[in-house]
Amino acid sequence: EAGVTQSPTHLIKTRGQQATLRCSPISGHTSVYWYQQALGLGLQFLLWYDEGEERNRGNFPPRFSGRQFPNYSSELNVNALELEDSALYLCASSLQGDEQFFGPGTRLTVL
Amino acid sequence: GESVGLHLPTLSVQEGDNSIINCAYSNSASDYFIWYKQESGKGPQFIIDIRSNMDKRQGQRVTVLLNKTVKHLSLQIAATQPGDSAVYFCAERPQPDSGGSNYKLTFGKGTLLTVNP
Repeated sequence: EAGVTQSPTHLIKTRGQQATLRCSPISGHTSVYWYQQALGLGLQFLLWYDEGEERNRGNFPPRFSGRQFPNYSSELNVNALELEDSALYLCASSLQGDEQFFGPGTRLTVL
Repeated sequence: GESVGLHLPTLSVQEGDNSIINCAYSNSASDYFIWYKQESGKGPQFIIDIRSNMDKRQGQRVTVLLNKTVKHLSLQIAATQPGDSAVYFCAERPQPDSGGSNYKLTFGKGTLLTVNP
């Protein structure tokens, strides 16, 4: 069974640009979670989508947004990129509130 | 605010020894706790979980202990191997409300475990 997949693996952008990160959950999982892991820090919860709806949001500005598609895959969009947005962005999926399985992450670098 | 923290940022052990990684949590409403292992360049990997109605749970070479009185969680790894070298995160989740909006996990900063051959 395929795990959670994320693309791209690496993404390099400049300040002010927009970034789009993608996540495909494990087949059958309806929930997708996004986390930010900045260098040397733990994982900070960003967003949770379930059945196409945003269910919960972490303490991040509105320029962090996303959506979940009918096939349960998800996109994370970061607008007006800032240097401090450089981080590993992790996606996880679960069957509602059960154990979350993580993908390998997208390394975003903002120059 | 509520947080999950780790007592030790780094832990170095000899191969074959037992490892103990500790975690303190402050949210008394948490009812579900998870330990994740993150190797360099990879996403976190689930190790073991425990619900608040239990105080101990065992897996293969790993044991999680939960002390709700002092809000403390620990991960014990038996016969530690070089492949166990990684950053270990504890995470907690409060009891979901009726709308299920509390499924997000709160992670601690992590402990780096180094296993010396």
